[in-house]
Amino acid sequence: AQRVTQPEKLLSVFKGAPVELKCNYSYSGSPELFWYVQYSRQRLQLLLRHISRESIKGFTADLNKGETSFHLKKPFAQEEDSAMYYCALFSGGYQKVTFGTGTKLQVIP
Amino acid sequence: DVKVTQSSRYLVKRTGEKVFLECVQDMDHENMFWYRQDPGLGLRLIYFSYDVKMKEKGDIPEGYSVSREKKERFSLILESASTNQTSMYLCASSPHSGRAYNEQFFGPGTRLTVL
Repeated sequence: AQRVTQPEKLLSVFKGAPVELKCNYSYSGSPELFWYVQYSRQRLQLLLRHISRESIKGFTADLNKGETSFHLKKPFAQEEDSAMYYCALFSGGYQKVTFGTGTKLQVIP
Repeated sequence: DVKVTQSSRYLVKRTGEKVFLECVQDMDHENMFWYRQDPGLGLRLIYFSYDVKMKEKGDIPEGYSVSREKKERFSLILESASTNQTSMYLCASSPHSGRAYNEQFFGPGTRLTVL
């Protein structure tokens, strides 16, 4: 069975500091990994997916199959990045994904 | 623009009551999902549906049932609410396209409190 682990419940960084939100997964096949974000009083929404290999709002994430990780990174945190971030894994089938427990990012001005 | 709506933002019920949570999407999506969101536990899938009248259990289906009589509507039912079902409930929908993943679009959530 697949599993997604986000070891940090809360990550506090100062504005302008680098950010790394950790995500590790366990899955025997070839997964698709995603990051979803929920800003305060807004809906949960897709931030980025590993197959796109794109940068969204300055965030990037690289799938490391050797370390089974998909960490989310941004070189310089902004106050508007404060939100709840969920890592998610799709293993095929009926569009079912497994979400991690989430990390709350707090950017201190 | 995809729109997923949920019938209530806040709901307070008593232990033992039957509770209905409604979700409607307007994008003709085949797939619909119900999650509960709890601090420290993340999002956990309760049930999902990939077609009208079809349903599949998720990771935590105990104490819940669902109904999908129309493509646009997916209902979550708590047959006899209990205090441990106090939570934020999120509905989501996505189109179906074979084995490729499609983004799930979420509703605003229903915060249910069971007293």
